[in-house]
Amino acid sequence: DAKTTQPPSMDCAEGRAANLPCNHSTISGNEYVYWYRQIHSQGPQYIIHGLKNNETNEMASLIITEDRKSSTLILPHATLRDTAVYYCIVANNAGNMLTFGGGTRLMVKP
Amino acid sequence: DADVTQTPRNRITKTGKRIMLECSQTKGHDRMYWYRQDPGLGLRLIYYSFDVKDINKGEISDGYSVSRQAQAKFSLSLESAIPNQTALYFCATSDSGTGINEQFFGPGTRLTVL
Repeated sequence: DAKTTQPPSMDCAEGRAANLPCNHSTISGNEYVYWYRQIHSQGPQYIIHGLKNNETNEMASLIITEDRKSSTLILPHATLRDTAVYYCIVANNAGNMLTFGGGTRLMVKP
Repeated sequence: DADVTQTPRNRITKTGKRIMLECSQTKGHDRMYWYRQDPGLGLRLIYYSFDVKDINKGEISDGYSVSRQAQAKFSLSLESAIPNQTALYFCATSDSGTGINEQFFGPGTRLTVL
């Protein structure tokens, strides 16, 4: 069973914020929300993760709703190089298992 | 991630052949993983290893075997390749000491079985 639901594709104008939603209504109390991205056919790259508080790093911000049933990854100023498939994954930190769903294909357009 | 290398990068083989894909890492990580990716789909876990000689089956281990003889190396074997094993294969590593689930991926091996 898929643990996360993401839109299959999204477009974003270059320089604008890209907001990528993810639903994870069955998330457990000890599970984190992780985001990875895959550019073309390269290996996936870790972006950010969070438990219940909002998080920010040099790449992105992660907003998690209070009930933890959904989250949004924000790329504040999208560039053409941000065109990729973005995966939202729920996982605990004990087993190091990552289950990749279909992800969201983000197309950043000039 | 250049610290995780995979060989070969591309391989074409025939049905029934034995194939080995190699993964090496210089990150000093204890955990290593093998995934496969089919066109248009996400990655699926084949096998993983939490330390030398530790082997665990993932979601789709049938038809595959692995070996972890050294911390830096994790090999994936297809004993008798079949066409539906045509896919992009990724190796990944992680450090159990960080307490987070950040995995570092290699560049991938594109395998075609004719």
